[in-house]
Amino acid sequence: SQKIEQNSEALNIQEGKTATLTCNYTNYSPAYLQWYRQDPGRGPVFLLLIRENEKEKRKERLKVTFDTTLKQSLFHITASQPADSATYLCALLLSGGSYIPTFGRGTSLIVHP
Amino acid sequence: DTAVSQTPKYLVTQMGNDKSIKCEQNLGHDTMYWYKQDSKKFLKIMFSYNNKELIINETVPNRFSPKSPDKAHLNLHINSLELGDSAVYFCASSQGLRSGDYNEQFFGPGTRLTVL
Repeated sequence: SQKIEQNSEALNIQEGKTATLTCNYTNYSPAYLQWYRQDPGRGPVFLLLIRENEKEKRKERLKVTFDTTLKQSLFHITASQPADSATYLCALLLSGGSYIPTFGRGTSLIVHP
Repeated sequence: DTAVSQTPKYLVTQMGNDKSIKCEQNLGHDTMYWYKQDSKKFLKIMFSYNNKELIINETVPNRFSPKSPDKAHLNLHINSLELGDSAVYFCASSQGLRSGDYNEQFFGPGTRLTVL
């Protein structure tokens, strides 16, 4: 069966460290992968898109990798800050279709001062 | 200016009632969506409209009926509400479905529906 797996347990890290979140998938062949941030009581906000032929994408303190062999994306936040505390969702966009995102359940990140 | 707005923010109602949620986007996008996020935070697509035409209708009970009067609006009407309909409903929009490069989703603030 098709699955998108993100760590259900919250990730707790100390301010200034690098946070690494994982998105694994099975029985999907995504053409694109997106990452979103969701704060409590709010809608998700788009952060980054990476294409299947790209290995890595960066935006300010954010870095995303995409390994289609391992079927995994890693999302890194360097020099993390308490304001980075939120839930981070990955979403797959499949080729040959409508490119509508299929979301994982998200991982909660808590950055301690 | 709010890009994607939804009303109401909270909706508390009795089982069996009919209710509507309204959504408007001022981004000029061609495509609009309804998502449901359950208590376990799983965000699942319900419907997608492209230029007022229904293109995606996931396995959603036919008690749920979307209506798009124009490209900027996508409303959700729910008949005979059930306890299991309690969730947060998000409206979203995107530029279009031609390519994943254009399908960044812009979400509204959500409507928390509680069915008693």
